[in-house]
Amino acid sequence: DQQVKQNSPSLSVQEGRISILNCDYTNSMFDYFLWYKKYPAEGPTFLISISSIKDKNEDGRFTVFLNKSAKHLSLHIVPSQPGDSAVYFCAALTGGTSYGKLTFGQGTILTVHP
Amino acid sequence: DAMVIQNPRYQVTQFGKPVTLSCSQTLNHNVMYWYQQKSSQAPKLLFHYYDKDFNNEADTPDNFQSRRPNTSFCFLDIRSPGLGDAAMYLCATSSGGPGSNQPQHFGDGTRLSIL
Repeated sequence: DQQVKQNSPSLSVQEGRISILNCDYTNSMFDYFLWYKKYPAEGPTFLISISSIKDKNEDGRFTVFLNKSAKHLSLHIVPSQPGDSAVYFCAALTGGTSYGKLTFGQGTILTVHP
Repeated sequence: DAMVIQNPRYQVTQFGKPVTLSCSQTLNHNVMYWYQQKSSQAPKLLFHYYDKDFNNEADTPDNFQSRRPNTSFCFLDIRSPGLGDAAMYLCATSSGGPGSNQPQHFGDGTRLSIL
């Protein structure tokens, strides 16, 4: 039972354009969401998070949007850079905090072309 | 730089031969986690330590054990590895425990192969 789903295995974007990575979840108890970025041969690196009491969180070029009614969140990267090419994982937690069991999506491979 | 270090990066063992994976951290975080990630799948939590308190996920096989002798180190022991245990094993840490919004920090993982 995949409670967090990233339905696009891969995404290809031109440098300078917007990258939009999507994530859907089924467990209504999830109330804290995170995005991690992973380069080959490295562990996941925390990127940005959002609490369910918010619908948007922005950090530089990265913005996460949360639509609770649709159980959907997305990560926007503007402008995209070649160094953003990596696997992006969406993850979710219950309890309103970052402590505890991260439930991950399968990941989306982002390729940003120069 | 403060970090989470996993050793070895690659581990090969024989079917049924016990193996231990190591994780150390310089972040002084009180929570340490072990995740298993199989090819093209999402990482899956096996268990975690909140300080010295061990928390096992309900679906973690008995074949998997963990030890945390001190704040800095945590070990994953696989007593009798099967072919299905071949995976990337990720260690992560976080500070504060329940109520904290500090993200989990991951090591670079150990890739385990079973012959």
